Amino acid sequence: AQSVTQLDSHVSVSEGTPVLLRCNYSSSYSPSLFWYVQHPNKGLQLLLKYTSAATLVKGINGFEAEFKKSETSFHLTKPSAHMSDAAEYFCVVSDKYDMRFGAGTRLTVKP
Amino acid sequence: ETGVTQSPTHLIKTRGQQVTLRCSSQSGHNTVSWYQQALGQGPQFIFQYYREEENGRGNFPPRFSGLQFPNYSSELNVNALELDDSALYLCASSRGTDYGYTFGSGTRLTVV
Repeated sequence: AQSVTQLDSHVSVSEGTPVLLRCNYSSSYSPSLFWYVQHPNKGLQLLLKYTSAATLVKGINGFEAEFKKSETSFHLTKPSAHMSDAAEYFCVVSDKYDMRFGAGTRLTVKP
Repeated sequence: ETGVTQSPTHLIKTRGQQVTLRCSSQSGHNTVSWYQQALGQGPQFIFQYYREEENGRGNFPPRFSGLQFPNYSSELNVNALELDDSALYLCASSRGTDYGYTFGSGTRLTVV
């Protein structure tokens, strides 16, 4: 069975400082991994995806994530936070039909 | 290209009633999945349809059922509504798992 654990339920950063949202996964085979963002009262938007190509994945809005098989991690980073990044972020592990979401990390950006 | 559209956006039902939620998938996408997102939680997988056949199901009872139509649009039906069914229901479409899913904005269902 596959699962994903987001290590922080809430992360708070100041505008202009780096962002790190942590995600560990469990899967019995080579997984597909995704990060999605959800702004208040909005649907989910795909930030980036890993599907066994390059281990460093670049996404939209300056976000990137690195797949580390030895650590079973897929942490999301951004060099400089912007106020508009404040949202809920979900790490997702997927097989052919079942996407398992983490519980989410709420990112707060302080001015 | 059009995205995923869901209707209605909000719905209030009484316990014991039945409800149908609708989803139009993104153009070119033949796979549709449905998720339930309770307040403050991550989405939970309900089931997936591929070319009108259910090909995966999460841990939801049989009173949650669905359909996919030849144009790849989809319905989620819930019978005998319970208070715990109150949630945001999300539809997502894809042209293949490796491509990721495009999500609709969801239907907010409140059961009273």
